[in-house]
Amino acid sequence: GENVEQHPSTLSVQEGDSAVIKCTYSDSASNYFPWYKQELGKRPQLIIDIRSNVGEKKDQRIAVTLNKTAKHFSLHITETQPEDSAVYFCAAPTSQGGSEKLVFGKGTKLTVNP
Amino acid sequence: NAGVMQNPRHLVRRRGQEARLRCSPMKGHSHVYWYRQLPEEGLKFMVYLQKENIIDESGMPKERFSAEFPKEGPSILRIQQVVRGDSAAYFCASSGLGPPQETQYFGPGTRLLVL
Repeated sequence: GENVEQHPSTLSVQEGDSAVIKCTYSDSASNYFPWYKQELGKRPQLIIDIRSNVGEKKDQRIAVTLNKTAKHFSLHITETQPEDSAVYFCAAPTSQGGSEKLVFGKGTKLTVNP
Repeated sequence: NAGVMQNPRHLVRRRGQEARLRCSPMKGHSHVYWYRQLPEEGLKFMVYLQKENIIDESGMPKERFSAEFPKEGPSILRIQQVVRGDSAAYFCASSGLGPPQETQYFGPGTRLLVL
């Protein structure tokens, strides 16, 4: 089955700096990689996702890169702002158990200091 | 608001009582997933349902936990004889076409506290 490792578990940056969060996965058949942002006490919200037919995807200050050979993908946030402070989760699909479902990383708590 | 709805948002139960958590998927969505989140932890898959069918319950404890998604009405996650270890946030998510590679949208969660 899929195993998703996420690093770092906590990340503190100064406003305006970049933040990078990395995830590795084990199932070479995985082909869809979403990233979710969860603010304290709120629901996880999809911020960006990437499918295996591309190596990079960008949406304003957020980008995700995928290296299928090495089985890792990363979230990049540029020009960070205090409102980027949240917990970020990566995920990858697995077919273990009879259906395809998402396996989530343990999360990265990002703090952007003003 | 056509987003995923969950109720109640907060639920307090004493040990041995039953907890019923409800999830209404986004309009037009027929696939529902339930996750459990412990404090400072990630989201753990519990069960995947379509209307009137449990597709995958491999993440759900075999005892005390059950789930359904009837033809009419919300999906229900039921926990019987709750114990303190059941205290967690329970999130449901819905998708339109189901896996693979289908975006899941999350509800606001139900925070269960077992005294």
